[in-house]
Amino acid sequence: AQSVTQLDSQVPVFEEAPVELRCNYSSSVSVYLFWYVQYPNQGLQLLLKYLSGSTLVKGINGFEAEFNKSQTSFHLRKPSVHISDTAEYFCAVSDLGGSEKLVFGKGTKLTVNP
Amino acid sequence: ETGVTQSPTHLIKTRGQQVTLRCSSQSGHNTVSWYQQALGQGPQFIFQYYREEENGRGNFPPRFSGLQFPNYSSELNVNALELDDSALYLCASSLDPLSNSPLHFGNGTRLTVT
Repeated sequence: AQSVTQLDSQVPVFEEAPVELRCNYSSSVSVYLFWYVQYPNQGLQLLLKYLSGSTLVKGINGFEAEFNKSQTSFHLRKPSVHISDTAEYFCAVSDLGGSEKLVFGKGTKLTVNP
Repeated sequence: ETGVTQSPTHLIKTRGQQVTLRCSSQSGHNTVSWYQQALGQGPQFIFQYYREEENGRGNFPPRFSGLQFPNYSSELNVNALELDDSALYLCASSLDPLSNSPLHFGNGTRLTVT
């Protein structure tokens, strides 16, 4: 069975500061990894995904994540955040069957303060 | 391109009642997945439908059931509602399950059980 641990439930930062949201996963098989963002009263929007290839993945809105197989991590980073990045961020994993049945972490609430 | 739409947006039901939630898939998508997101938690996979057949199910009891129609729209039915069923229910559509295409989420239906 797969599981995802998001190590921080809340991350407050100031505008234009860098941020890292941490994600660790557990799986007995190879996996695909995803980061989704959820703005208030909305569904989830895909930020980026790792399927194979380069371990550094670039996504939308200036976010990137690095897959580290030895540490089973997939941390999300942004060098300079904006007020509009305030949202809930979810890390997710699925198996390689292409089934798209995602297992999500509990989420990290990113709050960007002026 | 029409996105994923869910109805209703909000719903209040009484314990023991039955509820039906509806989802219209994004144009061209033949796969739909349903997730339950309790307050403060990440989404949990309920089940997936592909070409009108169930294609996988999460750890939810049989009183959670679904349908997918020939136009690929979908319903989630929950019988004998319990207080713990209060949550945001998210529908997500995608292409063929083996295509590794991303999930496109709707904005969800907020169900409150009193």
